[in-house]
Amino acid sequence: DAGITQSPRHKVTETGTPVTLRCHQTENHRYMYWYRQDPGHGLRLIHYSYGVKDTDKGEVSDGYSVSRSKTEDFLLTLESATSSQTSVYFCAISESPGQSNQPQHFGDGTRLSIL
Amino acid sequence: QKEVEQDPGPLSVPEGAIVSLNCTYSNSAFQYFMWYRQYSRKGPELLMYTYSSGNKEDGRFTAQVDKSSKYISLFIRDSQPSDSATYLCAMSTDSSASKIIFGSGTRLSIRP
Repeated sequence: DAGITQSPRHKVTETGTPVTLRCHQTENHRYMYWYRQDPGHGLRLIHYSYGVKDTDKGEVSDGYSVSRSKTEDFLLTLESATSSQTSVYFCAISESPGQSNQPQHFGDGTRLSIL
Repeated sequence: QKEVEQDPGPLSVPEGAIVSLNCTYSNSAFQYFMWYRQYSRKGPELLMYTYSSGNKEDGRFTAQVDKSSKYISLFIRDSQPSDSATYLCAMSTDSSASKIIFGSGTRLSIRP
């Protein structure tokens, strides 16, 4: 398995609190991604990074920010969590931006519940 | 209308059966087509990757793309209980991973 660790694996918090999810990789891959997965919607890209301090928005970026100060760590922050952000969050990494021979590898997810 | 439609299932078949999983899409610009397998409480893993139309085979798995009908399929031959998982189709207009649109997944259960 690709060396991807997401933490925490589960979190329950209250509306309005800040939340930070961490993705740590040991593969030295350049590209890192944050997705959310909700019933009926599949996986949707929140933000991604193409290098240290280089990030860009995905399809559903509103309410989320990211930071990447080291190659191995990609942080996702909910500044003020809302119930609509209850979801399962997946981090993915890839060596190149394409999918053909360098596919994304996914972590095992963080289950976040916002009450 | 969603760009990618996938029947959520669940689909239950006996061991050894041929399984057919399908997705339809609306964006004719999609050129890259993928199938992912996701076990419970795990992240998705890429099973098949296809560019443009045609078939691709890998062991017991065959992916088909029919761009004229905007329809893709994944066939699993000699299905095994270990194939029980959720299968996600995905597609994009270019090869960039940041542009992938995922289907919502079909839950598949293989009965021993």
